[in-house]
Amino acid sequence: AQTVTQSQPEMSVQEAETVTLSCTYDTSESDYYLFWYKQPPSRQMILVIRQEAYKQQNATENRFSVNFQKAAKSFSLKISDSQLGDAAMYFCAYKGAGKSTFGDGTTLTVKP
Amino acid sequence: GAVVSQHPSRVICKSGTSVKIECRSLDFQATTMFWYRQFPKQSLMLMATSNEGSKATYEQGVEKDKFLINHASLTLSTLTVTSAHPEDSSFYICSAREDTTGREQYFGPGTRLTVT
Repeated sequence: AQTVTQSQPEMSVQEAETVTLSCTYDTSESDYYLFWYKQPPSRQMILVIRQEAYKQQNATENRFSVNFQKAAKSFSLKISDSQLGDAAMYFCAYKGAGKSTFGDGTTLTVKP
Repeated sequence: GAVVSQHPSRVICKSGTSVKIECRSLDFQATTMFWYRQFPKQSLMLMATSNEGSKATYEQGVEKDKFLINHASLTLSTLTVTSAHPEDSSFYICSAREDTTGREQYFGPGTRLTVT
């Protein structure tokens, strides 16, 4: 069964600095998708970034980028130039042919 | 930006009754919508993928007879929790995948269901 592990329940970063949130997963599938979702205190979920496993190039969306290491089954999220509005719970998620799986989330605090 | 609405935002129902939650994409078409459940300790679960004009695809372990999903149009999907029980109390979130690119996914604000 697929599992997704976010080993950092909480992280903090200084405004304007860079932070990396870790995510590892376990699967026997070769074709799948990986996602990072953001859930701010309003609870309105936002899709931050997605990565297709067959693509070697790391996905980027403005200040957000991933480091996708397929062999290592690692999918970390880097947030550059952190802003106060980045404070939220971040979920890593896996979707393959089988069940979709979410990590337990990382709460990110941004310090002014 | 694209907006997804959910109605109601909060609902309290008695055990044994059914409750319907609506999810609408307000300014875009969405052939595909998703229903999620968020548990008290914040963990998330994808319940099902809703496809306009066809049956929903349920994730393993989700009771399709209990969580009825109907995707009647390109802008509306509904989730009906039938014969609700207190353990069904949860935060339900829908999202819609925008048809034009098939890549963008937008979320509704969620529905807090409490079964007494």
